[in-house]
Amino acid sequence: RKEVEQDPGPFNVPEGATVAFNCTYSNSASQSFFWYRQDCRKEPKLLMSVYSSGNEDGRFTAQLNRASQYISLLIRDSKLSDSATYLCVVRGNRDDKIIFGKGTRLHILP
Amino acid sequence: DAGVTQSPTHLIKTRGQQVTLRCSPISGHKSVSWYQQVLGQGPQFIFQYYEKEERGRGNFPDRFSARQFPNYSSELNVNALLLGDSALYLCASSLWGGSSYNEQFFGPGTRLTVL
Repeated sequence: RKEVEQDPGPFNVPEGATVAFNCTYSNSASQSFFWYRQDCRKEPKLLMSVYSSGNEDGRFTAQLNRASQYISLLIRDSKLSDSATYLCVVRGNRDDKIIFGKGTRLHILP
Repeated sequence: DAGVTQSPTHLIKTRGQQVTLRCSPISGHKSVSWYQQVLGQGPQFIFQYYEKEERGRGNFPDRFSARQFPNYSSELNVNALLLGDSALYLCASSLWGGSSYNEQFFGPGTRLTVL
């Protein structure tokens, strides 16, 4: 099992719809979880951290399920500008290792 | 304020050559990490440096090495280049590299092509 796994997509979603991504991780001792966004041929940028209690930032909601070892990202009322690759990031039980998933491509359709 | 800067932006090398990539972190950031991103994949962790010391290393061969300078800038060196080293090399800086995660800010990357 890979350390961090994501559905590569692409997800083709009409504007205004709600879309959700999941990401699974293999190391139960993982400590920190994040979602990054990467636009085509650009560098990744932090979208949001994922907390045990779940957290929301505007149209974006992130949740963590430690028992099942997955994190999720929900995007409501999707905009054309949400089109990007979304990278799941897990920080291992050692403070020197940060693991990125392969990313999920999202295309918002007008 | 300037973000993370990397040079060069693009580079073309041939197999067997050596390459040096450079990174300047955000002012005040003391930790620099290097990642390799192959097309269609997520970034893979190569090294992290904090206060000029290596604090972490990913699963990369010894052909890859790095160092951090007193001004916190960093260089990544790759020797004996292989075709498979063709990738986007990303540098990320953060305030510190301790046990607590703090946000990493990525530079625009250096796109290396090995022919």
